[in-house]
Amino acid sequence: AQKVTQAQTEISVVEKEDVTLDCVYETRDTTYYLFWYKQPPSGELVFLIRRNSFDEQNEISGRYSWNFQKSTSSFNFTITASQVVDSAVYFCALSANSGNTPLVFGKGTRLSVIA
Amino acid sequence: DAGITQSPRHKVTETGTPVTLRCHQTENHRYMYWYRQDPGHGLRLIHYSYGVKDTDKGEVSDGYSVSRSKTEDFLLTLESATSSQTSVYFCAISRDGNSGANVLTFGAGSRLTVL
Repeated sequence: AQKVTQAQTEISVVEKEDVTLDCVYETRDTTYYLFWYKQPPSGELVFLIRRNSFDEQNEISGRYSWNFQKSTSSFNFTITASQVVDSAVYFCALSANSGNTPLVFGKGTRLSVIA
Repeated sequence: DAGITQSPRHKVTETGTPVTLRCHQTENHRYMYWYRQDPGHGLRLIHYSYGVKDTDKGEVSDGYSVSRSKTEDFLLTLESATSSQTSVYFCAISRDGNSGANVLTFGAGSRLTVL
């Protein structure tokens, strides 16, 4: 069975603060993929990043960075110098590589960035 | 624009009535999914399809049925709606659903209220 846990239900930060969203996953598969999606207040779901289980390199994209650690089964997401436009619900998701395996999502973390 | 549309976008119905939600894609993707989003539960998979007339159940399939008679359309039916099915329903499509690498593209969502 696959499971994704996002322990932080809601986080509130002041603009320009750094914030880290935690994601812990469980799977018995040796090959799997991890994802982050963003859902802004408008409601659409936007894909942010995908990592495979063989690539533990951290990823940085502008103010966003992702820290993947197999040893702790975590795939954390950090926003540096947060902005009001970062306010959204963020979902972490997991998919195994064994065919026809839909994504399993965490319950999401609601981030509020206050000006 | 990923070419995925959901209809209706909003619907209010009464307990016991049948409801059908439609997902239409223009991408010719093989894989299509229905998720529901509820506060405190994140996104949960209802049903998915891996081809015309090929469907499978997800985590919360009770009370729902699906049909896919052509590649572009995936219908979700609530045979007899209940108040517990009040939710936001998201359709998603994927080109690579038979591997864990698949990135889902989501529709805008359909908000269903069952009174």
